[in-house]
Amino acid sequence: AQTVTQSQPEMSVQEAETVTLSCTYDTSESDYYLFWYKQPPSRQMILVIRQEAYKQQNATENRFSVNFQKAAKSFSLKISDSQLGDAAMYFCAYRRTGTASKLTFGTGTRLQVTL
Amino acid sequence: DSGVTQTPKHLITATGQRVTLRCSPRSGDLSVYWYQQSLDQGLQFLIQYYNGEERAKGNILERFSAQQFPDLHSELNLSSLELGDSALYFCASSVGSNNEQFFGPGTRLTVL
Repeated sequence: AQTVTQSQPEMSVQEAETVTLSCTYDTSESDYYLFWYKQPPSRQMILVIRQEAYKQQNATENRFSVNFQKAAKSFSLKISDSQLGDAAMYFCAYRRTGTASKLTFGTGTRLQVTL
Repeated sequence: DSGVTQTPKHLITATGQRVTLRCSPRSGDLSVYWYQQSLDQGLQFLIQYYNGEERAKGNILERFSAQQFPDLHSELNLSSLELGDSALYFCASSVGSNNEQFFGPGTRLTVL
């Protein structure tokens, strides 16, 4: 079974600084997707960034980028120029390709952004 | 706004009762997923429907059931409720099984 591990329950970053959230996963599949979701206090689940396992290039979305290390099964999220609005729970998630496409989530990292 | 709607937003009920949570997917999305978020279990996949048919099942209790109707909306039925069923229940939808999942705002269920 696939598992996703987020070893940092909480992280803190100063406004305008950079922070990296860690995620590791375990799978025997060669083709899959990885995601980072943000959950602000409103509880809405918001997709931040996605990575296809077959792509070697790391995904980027504005201030958000990932470091995808397939051999190490590592998928970290870097947030640059942190803003107060980035404060939220961040969940790493895995999804295999194919028709049984459930998301498997990690336990989350709570990110605090300080002035 | 993801385009996925869920009703009700909040639900408070007593142990032993039965409730129905409703989800309307984004226009054009055929797949609907249900997830449960609780303090002790985290975010867990419950069940997936695709165009009216059950496609995948996760850690869904026998007391829980779901269906997807011809108009593609879905309902999650929870019966014989226990205190431990208190959680945030999310619905997500996607065009197909291999596409992005968009989450609704969730239904917060409190069982007293």
